[in-house]
Amino acid sequence: DAKTTQPTSMDCAEGRAANLPCNHSTISGNEYVYWYRQIHSQGPQYIIHGLKNNETNEMASLIITEDRKSSTLILPHATLRDTAVYYCIVRVFGNEKLTFGTGTRLTIIP
Amino acid sequence: EAGVAQSPRYKIIEKRQSVAFWCNPISGHATLYWYQQILGQGPKLLIQFQNNGVVDDSQLPKDRFSAERLKGVDSTLKIQPAKLEDSAVYLCASSLIRGDPNSYEQYFGPGTRLTVT
Repeated sequence: DAKTTQPTSMDCAEGRAANLPCNHSTISGNEYVYWYRQIHSQGPQYIIHGLKNNETNEMASLIITEDRKSSTLILPHATLRDTAVYYCIVRVFGNEKLTFGTGTRLTIIP
Repeated sequence: EAGVAQSPRYKIIEKRQSVAFWCNPISGHATLYWYQQILGQGPKLLIQFQNNGVVDDSQLPKDRFSAERLKGVDSTLKIQPAKLEDSAVYLCASSLIRGDPNSYEQYFGPGTRLTVT
């Protein structure tokens, strides 16, 4: 699986959009970008995934650059409950395996 | 729908003792995973089951760790004997293979925090 690079930590003001970047410059054509988050003392939670088109669901939006070498997870109106570690994961087509890095620790500031 | 259940939530043991963790996946989920998460790191896959067969156990320290999934439902993970470096959170996850093989979504339990002293 391609390696991902994320900032170690970020802060965001409550009510603002939180934009979490991820670099995956070695991604190949059969690899998807997945995002999970882990709130303190809980297991990871699936957020969203995409291949090459931008995706949106009730939790977040995923913007993937045209060359697919990077992506941004957007939480449109961050709340205190969005404070968590966010993992960007590249996953091979048809492969169920998730390989977690160290993620980005996002802190929402009141 | 009920989530992935794990027990116990916390366990403290001395090194060289044995310990077992239990996981009950979401009903109907054929695939079950055990992860180890050391403090400050992301979860690391230990073993993956498809029904009651092992799909991937390449990162399971087989000299001390064992896992089984009888009848393709519940699973137990055992450590015997435990070492200090086994202190971690042990997470269980399950997934349902839907019609689209690119939409695997894993559902995680709350984990068991193990402290080895």
